[in-house]
Amino acid sequence: DQQVKQNSPSLSVQEGRISILNCDYTNSMFDYFLWYKKYPAEGPTFLISISSIKDKNEDGRFTVFLNKSAKHLSLHIVPSQPGDSAVYFCAATGGSNYKLTFGKGTLLTVNP
Amino acid sequence: SQTIHQWPATLVQPVGSPLSLECTVEGTSNPNLYWYRQAAGRGLQLLFYSVGIGQISSEVPQNLSASRPQDRQFILSSKKLLLSDSGFYLCAWSVPARGTQPQHFGDGTRLSIL
Repeated sequence: DQQVKQNSPSLSVQEGRISILNCDYTNSMFDYFLWYKKYPAEGPTFLISISSIKDKNEDGRFTVFLNKSAKHLSLHIVPSQPGDSAVYFCAATGGSNYKLTFGKGTLLTVNP
Repeated sequence: SQTIHQWPATLVQPVGSPLSLECTVEGTSNPNLYWYRQAAGRGLQLLFYSVGIGQISSEVPQNLSASRPQDRQFILSSKKLLLSDSGFYLCAWSVPARGTQPQHFGDGTRLSIL
C-alpha cells in the first residue's frame, strides 16, 4: 500500500521556466509534508516543508502548495536552474509519529 | 552546525557474512536517529529509529538489527546477510521532538550482496 505517490518518474523543463512536481497521499492522518532533493551518490537534502494548517509555504525559489481536500501537494521551482537537476522526494508524517513515508521520487532535468 | 557521517560509502559483501554500518552525528545532543533503506526501484523505507541511548524501535521485521551505544552513534548490523539485504542504506537525525521536524540524512552506504 503506497501511501505517498509521485506519479511522474521524470520531468524535463527549460532553464528559467517553472518546474512543478506533484505528490498525492492517501493517509488522512498525515499532517506534515516535506520535500527532499537528492543528487546521485548523496543522501537526500531537506528542501522545504509544510504543516497541514497551511496551504502554502515559500522559501526563495521554492514554494510548496497543499490541497488537503484533494490530498495533493506540489513543489514549484521558479525559475528553474540546471543545478536543480536531481531526484525530488515527497515525504509525509502524521501526528506524533516519527516515521516519514516517502514517495518513489521524480527525476527533474533542467536543460540549459 | 550539525553534521552526520556514515561509513563506508560502498560495501560488497558475500551472502552469509556479517554487517556493521556506523553513523555518527556531531553538533547536537540527544538527537533522534534513524536508519532507512532504499531498495532498487523503491522509495525510502524506515528500518529503525531511536530516541535515546539503548532505545531502538523496529519498523519492519527483517534480518537486521540496530544499536545505539552512545548518544550520537547509531549502528546497523546483521549476523548473516541475505541477497535481499542489498540496497542503499541511509542514516538520518532530527531534533528530539515528535512530528513536525525534518530529518537530515547522511550520504548513505551502497551495499551489494554477492
